[in-house]
Amino acid sequence: EDQVTQSPEALRLQEGESSSLNCSYTVSGLRGLFWYRQDPGKGPEFLFTLYSAGEEKEKERLKATLTKKESFLHITAPKPEDSATYLCAVQAPGANSKLTFGKGITLSVRP
Amino acid sequence: EAQVTQNPRYLITVTGKKLTVTCSQNMNHEYMSWYRQDPGLGLRQIYYSMNVEVTDKGDVPEGYKVSRKEKRNFPLILESPSPNQTSLYFCASSSVRTGGLGYEQYFGPGTRLTVT
Repeated sequence: EDQVTQSPEALRLQEGESSSLNCSYTVSGLRGLFWYRQDPGKGPEFLFTLYSAGEEKEKERLKATLTKKESFLHITAPKPEDSATYLCAVQAPGANSKLTFGKGITLSVRP
Repeated sequence: EAQVTQNPRYLITVTGKKLTVTCSQNMNHEYMSWYRQDPGLGLRQIYYSMNVEVTDKGDVPEGYKVSRKEKRNFPLILESPSPNQTSLYFCASSSVRTGGLGYEQYFGPGTRLTVT
C-alpha cells in the first residue's frame, strides 16, 4: 500500500528564516510526486511535479527536490503570505490516477 | 479561465435526505475524481472516472454514488446521508496520459457538508 508521511506536522518560522518540509514516501513505482499548497477553506493549489530522483524544481521562494525515498520543499526567506498547509502526494503506475496524500504540514510565518 | 467549479459550497442537511453536489471542469480533462478531507485523516479518494461512462471506486466509496454522462460534469450523490459523511469535499480533474508520467490534478474550491 502506498504511504506518504510528512514532517513536521506544524512549523512556525520568523519571516526570513529558511527551512525545509519533509515528505517520505513508500510506493511501488513512482509515477509522480506532487506538492500542493492549501489555504484554509480552499482547494489544494498545484505547486510542483517531480518524476525521478535528483530532479529539482523552483518557484519563487520554493524549491522542491526528490530522492528515491523522500522529497523536500525548501522555503528560502519566507514571508507571511507563505503561511499555508503544504501537501505532498504520490501517484503510482496503473489505470487509477489516484493521488495518495500525506496529512500535510501547516506552516506559519510570523512578520 | 481554466477551473473546476463545485456547487453548493456549503450545505447543511438532515440524515436521510438525498443530496447532489455538482462538479464541472472547463479544461476538457478526461479524468475526474472526488475526495473528502477530514482532520487528522488527510484527503481520501471516494470515486474516480477515467472518461465518460467509466467510473470506479476509490478508498472510501460507501454511501456515495457518482455518474459521468458528460465529459465536463461529475456529480457526487449521497442518497441517504449520515452524520459520518460530514466533511469537506473536493472535486479534481486532470488529463490522462496512458503508460507515462502522471499529470497534476486541479482541485475545485470545496463543498463543506454538514449532516445533522
